[in-house]
Amino acid sequence: DTEVTQTPKHLVMGMTNKKSLKCEQHMGHRAMYWYKQKAKKPPELMFVYSYEKLSINESVPSRFSPECPNSSLLNLHLHALQPEDSALYLCASSSRTESTEAFFGQGTRLTVV
Amino acid sequence: AQSVTQLDSHVSVSEGTPVLLRCNYSSSYSPSLFWYVQHPNKGLQLLLKYTSAATLVKGINGFEAEFKKSETSFHLTKPSAHMSDAAEYFCVVSALSGAGSYQLTFGKGTKLSVIP
Repeated sequence: DTEVTQTPKHLVMGMTNKKSLKCEQHMGHRAMYWYKQKAKKPPELMFVYSYEKLSINESVPSRFSPECPNSSLLNLHLHALQPEDSALYLCASSSRTESTEAFFGQGTRLTVV
Repeated sequence: AQSVTQLDSHVSVSEGTPVLLRCNYSSSYSPSLFWYVQHPNKGLQLLLKYTSAATLVKGINGFEAEFKKSETSFHLTKPSAHMSDAAEYFCVVSALSGAGSYQLTFGKGTKLSVIP
């Protein structure tokens, strides 16, 4: 199973809402990532978890809050977002040592209204 | 430090003709290199990877890429384009970060259009 599953596929939220994006993988990977992708641009790294610990935060605003409850799950909690946060949010995972490629989920298309 | 330059933002080919998507990289160490494909509103799918084994790498859907260290290039090719190949393609370099996990550096992407 080389699949990374993201839910929901689409999300529309108001600027005062609280929502969460979820990501799951069962490949035994110990590194998990959140990326943000705007239209016609490459993905931009937001957060990296290594062995369930936050190892990299690319200066992301605090209205984005990541969480890694266990080695298979990764969440991104959203609160008080702005319309410019509308984007495709991609989750990925990789093996920390055995290989370097990342496997991506299908993404959550987020629209902030 | 590492970087990736995709030399064309848009490539247009006729169906059945060869595809060439160009990528140059810069890396302080022996890099791992990848090509990913992204269809509209979808995630990224790994096409192929180079990790210091054979310099000619074969991937899925008939794509292949050749690692040329002397030219710091990793161009993606396919002998015959199919309509389903129309998508965005990203060249990516990977290296181990100081935090102990691999970090991917993306090129800006090349949009491939296939004309019937």
